[in-house]
Amino acid sequence: GEDVEQSLFLSVREGDSSVINCTYTDSSSTYLYWYKQEPGAGLQLLTYIFSNMDMKQDQRLTVLLNKKDKHLSLRIADTQTGDSAIYFCAESLFNNAGNMLTFGGGTRLMVKP
Amino acid sequence: GAVVSQHPSRVICKSGTSVKIECRSLDFQATTMFWYRQFPKQSLMLMATSNEGSKATYEQGVEKDKFLINHASLTLSTLTVTSAHPEDSSFYICSASGGLRPNQPQHFGDGTRLSIL
Repeated sequence: GEDVEQSLFLSVREGDSSVINCTYTDSSSTYLYWYKQEPGAGLQLLTYIFSNMDMKQDQRLTVLLNKKDKHLSLRIADTQTGDSAIYFCAESLFNNAGNMLTFGGGTRLMVKP
Repeated sequence: GAVVSQHPSRVICKSGTSVKIECRSLDFQATTMFWYRQFPKQSLMLMATSNEGSKATYEQGVEKDKFLINHASLTLSTLTVTSAHPEDSSFYICSASGGLRPNQPQHFGDGTRLSIL
């Protein structure tokens, strides 16, 4: 079955790098996503990576994918207080209904000034 | 681009009331729309998937007569919580996907907080 797991909590100091980790179980996932959720809001798509890629960088965000170990990470460089939020990783399975997502439980990132 | 608008953002109503939540894709055509429910400090739970012009596909355990979904156009889907009770209080989030290709991500609305008294 599908299962996506993340650590619950991460605390860093402003200016440091944050690394949020995620493991998934379904090797047939086509894309893996990172979403950000601020309090009382919906999910904001941050970035995504195709399953045959190892790394993707987008400004302060770096995604690393180890397909053999089914491990995904999101690195945020120079973390700011505005980065405090819950971060969800999600794996996608494509079927007739479209791009179905399975979410991890979310990692709460707290950035201390 | 890829903006999804969800309304209302907050609803407070009495038990027994039916509540309609709208989800609109503003700058793209949403072939598929998804409805999720999120409990406090938890992840998103998929309730149903809807494709324009066809009946919604509900996840196991979700009552289709309780949560009515209509996807009448490529830019609008609605979720109606019928005869809502306090246990239906939750944060409901919709998302929309612009095509039937694997690289079409889901774009999310800002959610609706439903409180049933």
